[in-house]
Amino acid sequence: LAKTTQPISMDSYEGQEVNITCSHNNIATNDYITWYQQFPSQGPRFIIQGYKTKVTNEVASLFIPADRKSSTLSLPRVSLSDTAVYYCLVGDIRTGRRALTFGSGTRLQVQP
Amino acid sequence: GAVVSQHPSWVICKSGTSVKIECRSLDFQATTMFWYRQFPKQSLMLMATSNEGSKATYEQGVEKDKFLINHASLTLSTLTVTSAHPEDSSFYICSANLAGSETQYFGPGTRLLVL
Repeated sequence: LAKTTQPISMDSYEGQEVNITCSHNNIATNDYITWYQQFPSQGPRFIIQGYKTKVTNEVASLFIPADRKSSTLSLPRVSLSDTAVYYCLVGDIRTGRRALTFGSGTRLQVQP
Repeated sequence: GAVVSQHPSWVICKSGTSVKIECRSLDFQATTMFWYRQFPKQSLMLMATSNEGSKATYEQGVEKDKFLINHASLTLSTLTVTSAHPEDSSFYICSANLAGSETQYFGPGTRLLVL
């Protein structure tokens, strides 16, 4: 499975847009890119997933360039409750028999 | 989305005892479930893959005799920490995939404290 690299931590203020970039240089053709959010003492929560170009849902956008060697999670107008660890995961798990491998994640701190 | 539950949510036990943690897929069948462990301020580490009706496969460095995994049905996998020691204290998280889906769903986790 492709290795991912993310910033260890980021700081932001309420109301700002936050962009977290993840590098995955050895992404394979069939790999999808998935972002999870984790609060302390909770399991990871699915945020967004994409294969190429741009994906948007009610909580975030995911930008994937043509070469797919990186991706950027965009959180619009963050609030204090967005303080969490964000993980970028890359892999092809459609068979249901392979697990996603977690990198170090990005610890986002949102301040008032 | 699919829901994965875990029970108990937290457990405290004495050193030397065994602890069983259940992982259930509530609204879908999972032929495969995964067990992760997470220490404070660290990322999730995959421990093992639980396969329904067959033996689990363990990641390198994970003792299969210490962490017993049973996947007796398509909706239930159990992890038993045998002869628990304080160093086994951790946050254990299970997950499962919908077959054909690219999304992995995670349980809420189980906090284990071994005294």
